[in-house]
Amino acid sequence: SQQGEEDPQALSIQEGENATMNCSYKTSINNLQWYRQNSGRGLVHLILIRSNEREKHSGRLRVTLDTSKKSSSLLITASRAADTASYFCATDDGTYKYIFGTGTRLKVLA
Amino acid sequence: GAGVSQTPSNKVTEKGKYVELRCDPISGHTALYWYRQSLGQGPEFLIYFQGTGAADDSGLPNDRFFAVRPEGSVSTLKIQRTERGDSAVYLCASSTQGGDTEAFFGQGTRLTVV
Repeated sequence: SQQGEEDPQALSIQEGENATMNCSYKTSINNLQWYRQNSGRGLVHLILIRSNEREKHSGRLRVTLDTSKKSSSLLITASRAADTASYFCATDDGTYKYIFGTGTRLKVLA
Repeated sequence: GAGVSQTPSNKVTEKGKYVELRCDPISGHTALYWYRQSLGQGPEFLIYFQGTGAADDSGLPNDRFFAVRPEGSVSTLKIQRTERGDSAVYLCASSTQGGDTEAFFGQGTRLTVV
C-alpha cells in the first residue's frame, strides 16, 4: 500500500531553475524521508525530517514539514541536469518501516 | 562491502518456477527491508526484519512469498510458483536500527516472469 502521494507526478524545468515537489500522507508519522531514484533502480537517501521539525536544509535541498496538513515539500534550488530523477517521500508511522509515495519524475533540461 | 548488495541483478524465470533473491546488507545493520517496485510506481513494502526475526511481514502479498534472515545478516526472498504479475524490481534496504534512521538501498533485482 502507498502512504504518500507526490505532486506533481512529473515536472520539467530548465537548468538553473528551482524545482518544488510536494508529498501528502495519511496517518501520523514519526519522520519523513526523501529519496532520489535514477533509472528505476537503487534509491539514494536525501534528507530525513522528524515530526517535531519544520524545516531542514542539505546543500541545495530544502525540506519542509507541516504535520497539521500532513504534507511535506522538497525544494531543489539551482537545478542541474544531474538532478533528473524520480523523487519519493517515505514515512515512518512508528512501526519502523518506510512507506513510500508514488513519486515525482523530475526532468531538468540543459 | 561498502553498500547493500543484491544478487542476481536480473532474473528471468518461467511461470510456475521457484526463485530466490539474495540481499547482503551493510555490516552491522540490524534492520533489513524488502520492497517491490513496479514500473512507474513507488516501492511497495513487503517485509521488515529486526535481527533474525520478521518484525513485520504485512506487505507480503500471499503465501507464495517468504523471506528469511537466519543469522541476522544476509536475507533471501523466496517466491514459489511465480506468476507473470510477480515481475518487478525487488529492492532490499538496511539501516542501523530501522524507522528513525536512514535506509540504504541496494540496486535491486529485476525479476521477469515469462
